[in-house]
Amino acid sequence: DVKVTQSSRYLVKRTGEKVFLECVQDMDHENMFWYRQDPGLGLRLIYFSYDVKMKEKGDIPEGYSVSREKKERFSLILESASTNQTSMYLCATLMQGPHYGYTFGSGTRLTVV
Amino acid sequence: AQSVTQLDSQVPVFEEAPVELRCNYSSSVSVYLFWYVQYPNQGLQLLLKYLSGSTLVKGINGFEAEFNKSQTSFHLRKPSVHISDTAEYFCAVSDLWSGAGSYQLTFGKGTKLSVIP
Repeated sequence: DVKVTQSSRYLVKRTGEKVFLECVQDMDHENMFWYRQDPGLGLRLIYFSYDVKMKEKGDIPEGYSVSREKKERFSLILESASTNQTSMYLCATLMQGPHYGYTFGSGTRLTVV
Repeated sequence: AQSVTQLDSQVPVFEEAPVELRCNYSSSVSVYLFWYVQYPNQGLQLLLKYLSGSTLVKGINGFEAEFNKSQTSFHLRKPSVHISDTAEYFCAVSDLWSGAGSYQLTFGKGTKLSVIP
């Protein structure tokens, strides 16, 4: 089974700090995604990547950037954290082919104070 | 662009009663469809998915869903719910466009299922 690991389960940061959320997968998948989950809004796509150094904006990229220097690692960066970025952040990878499907990490609950 | 509408934000149902959670989608291309479940303070778990073939898809925990292309729907059903089914359920769609940057998974806003003893 694919394993998607998010480095922190809970994180508390101060307003204005630069925050890095890390996601690592163990299956050499090309496509990786970052979502944020908020009550009543479901999961919304922030950024995704379809290869090393390749990235695309999702539906809500403002205030975020990403980095994919190696295939297995996809990092989400909050350049200057704000309180409205307090949320649950979920990373996912995609397995293409006959068993097409997405695997999600367990999430990072970020609180910005 | 694709979108997903989950028609009910909350669904209360008595234990052992049947339930249907509704999902409609819009897309200009062919799609794959998914239902996920999230129990309190836990991550997302795949319930079932439709990729091709039979339009009636069976998943885990006794859930099933039917893909209706003409109505662009993918409703989730269970004939008899249990207390343990209390959770939030998300419908999601992935388009089959093959251009760069594709394969995005778009989610609905979720339906909270509350099973009443």
